[in-house]
Amino acid sequence: GAGVSQTPSNKVTEKGKYVELRCDPISGHTALYWYRQSLGQGPEFLIYFQGTGAADDSGLPNDRFFAVRPEGSVSTLKIQRTERGDSAVYLCASSLGGGKADTQYFGPGTRLTVL
Amino acid sequence: QKEVEQDPGPLSVPEGAIVSLNCTYSNSAFQYFMWYRQYSRKGPELLMYTYSSGNKEDGRFTAQVDKSSKYISLFIRDSQPSDSATYLCAMSFGGRRALTFGSGTRLQVQP
Repeated sequence: GAGVSQTPSNKVTEKGKYVELRCDPISGHTALYWYRQSLGQGPEFLIYFQGTGAADDSGLPNDRFFAVRPEGSVSTLKIQRTERGDSAVYLCASSLGGGKADTQYFGPGTRLTVL
Repeated sequence: QKEVEQDPGPLSVPEGAIVSLNCTYSNSAFQYFMWYRQYSRKGPELLMYTYSSGNKEDGRFTAQVDKSSKYISLFIRDSQPSDSATYLCAMSFGGRRALTFGSGTRLQVQP
């Protein structure tokens, strides 16, 4: 079946603008995660959804970052007043959500560049 | 100091060599240990998953976890050029789904 998909694959914006990044998880997966990967680094956790609710948002760096998953499937990561330091690859992952040992399956990411 | 430390490489080996990749960590609460492979401009792909200490083998890949030393390893036997990628270790603990990743080791297997 289809894997995790993310759109757009690339996004270039100007400092101060608002951006939205979309994630379509694997069908039937109830858990969804957002990570951010800077150049030469491993992914850093941002937020985790179980169903429609954010179960853990401890990784969001500040209140400019917000994510939603209104129907428990597609999720949108929203970044307000973008800064150059927000430039990174934003990765989405999903898992069945059945337990602590869930395997997280990653999408290809959205490469965000803030000029 | 980062919770998970990983040598960034690059590590260059000839085809057919045995590759050893390692991570150390500081948080003794970690219980679940994973190795992901990431090709350029792609998302991470799970290779191996281990719970607590011990060894796990899958084809050419062997994962080892030593919780007493806070040290995990991935061995790749008979390495192939197609193994050239960045290898990321990741870990988590019960009650928290978030994965903590190392910075990744870039591996190049020369034909």
